[in-house]
Amino acid sequence: ETGVTQSPTHLIKTRGQQVTLRCSSQSGHNTVSWYQQALGQGPQFIFQYYREEENGRGNFPPRFSGLQFPNYSSELNVNALELDDSALYLCASSSTGSGRSYNEQFFGPGTRLTVL
Amino acid sequence: GDSVTQMEGPVTLSEEAFLTINCTYTATGYPSLFWYVQYPGEGLQLLLKATKADDKGSNKGFEATYRKETTSFHLEKGSVQVSDSAVYFCALAYGNNRLAFGKGNQVVVIP
Repeated sequence: ETGVTQSPTHLIKTRGQQVTLRCSSQSGHNTVSWYQQALGQGPQFIFQYYREEENGRGNFPPRFSGLQFPNYSSELNVNALELDDSALYLCASSSTGSGRSYNEQFFGPGTRLTVL
Repeated sequence: GDSVTQMEGPVTLSEEAFLTINCTYTATGYPSLFWYVQYPGEGLQLLLKATKADDKGSNKGFEATYRKETTSFHLEKGSVQVSDSAVYFCALAYGNNRLAFGKGNQVVVIP
């Protein structure tokens, strides 16, 4: 069983640029959630995708957007990068629709984004 | 909104010492509660969980009990090893299967 993978591992961008981060969900999972983890902080929920649609969003501006593809992989796009966007971006996959109130999320290793 | 608060600061202790990391939560209803661990350069791994009041989650010698009356979910381990050095996050599930995390505690175990 393949776990959650993310690419790239590290990325350096400058202010104002745009970035795309990628996530492949674990086999059998249909839901992807994205989290931002600033240095020394806990992860913050950005948004979640289920059946290729956004299924909930945290307190992040519209310049954070995403996609989910038919194979359940996902992208996180950030436009007009700011210095404060420097963080570890974590993707988590889970399986919605099992009837349980909570479905365990499995995390990838993350993408470290540095904005200069 | 729903949130988690962890005790401030890193935790440094000697091998075989007793570990406690405090976690309290604020939530409507009774959310599922979790402890995640993050080793250097890695993503988050689920350590243990509890889905209802008085449940005790346990794994790899770690334990935490869901205390409704004190809205707490403190993590404990009776005898830590150097390999337990990591960052530990308390979290709760809210809304549609999303997680709210505490700030995390760096645990350093000295041989």
